[in-house]
Amino acid sequence: DAKTTQPPSMDCAEGRAANLPCNHSTISGNEYVYWYRQIHSQGPQYIIHGLKNNETNEMASLIITEDRKSSTLILPHATLRDTAVYYCIVIASGTYKYIFGTGTRLKVLA
Amino acid sequence: DAGVIQSPRHEVTEMGQEVTLRCKPISGHNSLFWYRQTMMRGLELLIYFNNNVPIDDSGMPEDRFSAKMPNASFSTLKIQPSEPRDSAVYFCASSNRYEQYFGPGTRLTVT
Repeated sequence: DAKTTQPPSMDCAEGRAANLPCNHSTISGNEYVYWYRQIHSQGPQYIIHGLKNNETNEMASLIITEDRKSSTLILPHATLRDTAVYYCIVIASGTYKYIFGTGTRLKVLA
Repeated sequence: DAGVIQSPRHEVTEMGQEVTLRCKPISGHNSLFWYRQTMMRGLELLIYFNNNVPIDDSGMPEDRFSAKMPNASFSTLKIQPSEPRDSAVYFCASSNRYEQYFGPGTRLTVT
């Protein structure tokens, strides 16, 4: 599986958009980009995933660059409850072995 | 749905004792995963079941660890004998497609 690189930490003001980047420059054509988050003392929570098109759901938007070497998770209006560690994972279709890196620790500030 | 259910939520035991962690996956999910999380090593996959059959146990640290899934609604992770270095949070997750849904975890402390 391709490796990912994320900044270790970010701050965001409450109510503003949080843009979390992920670099996956060695991604293969059949590999998806998944995002999870882990709020303190809880299990990881699925957010969104995509292959090459941009995706949006009720939680977030996922923007994948045309060359697929990087992506950005966007939380459009961050709240204090969005404070968490966010993990970007790249995994091939039909496989299951997530490799969780160290993620980005997002702190939303009041 | 109640989500993935794990029990106990906290377990404190002495070195050498047997520990059994339990998981009830989301109904209808055919894949089940056990993970371990520590500060040093992060989140690691221990074992993966598909349709109740163990598919990949390469992450199980040693023979002291064993996992079973006797039916689609129940799985156990057993550590015998337990050691202090087994102290961690153990998560169970289930899936029926691509995304995995995690339980709240069991915090294990071995003294």
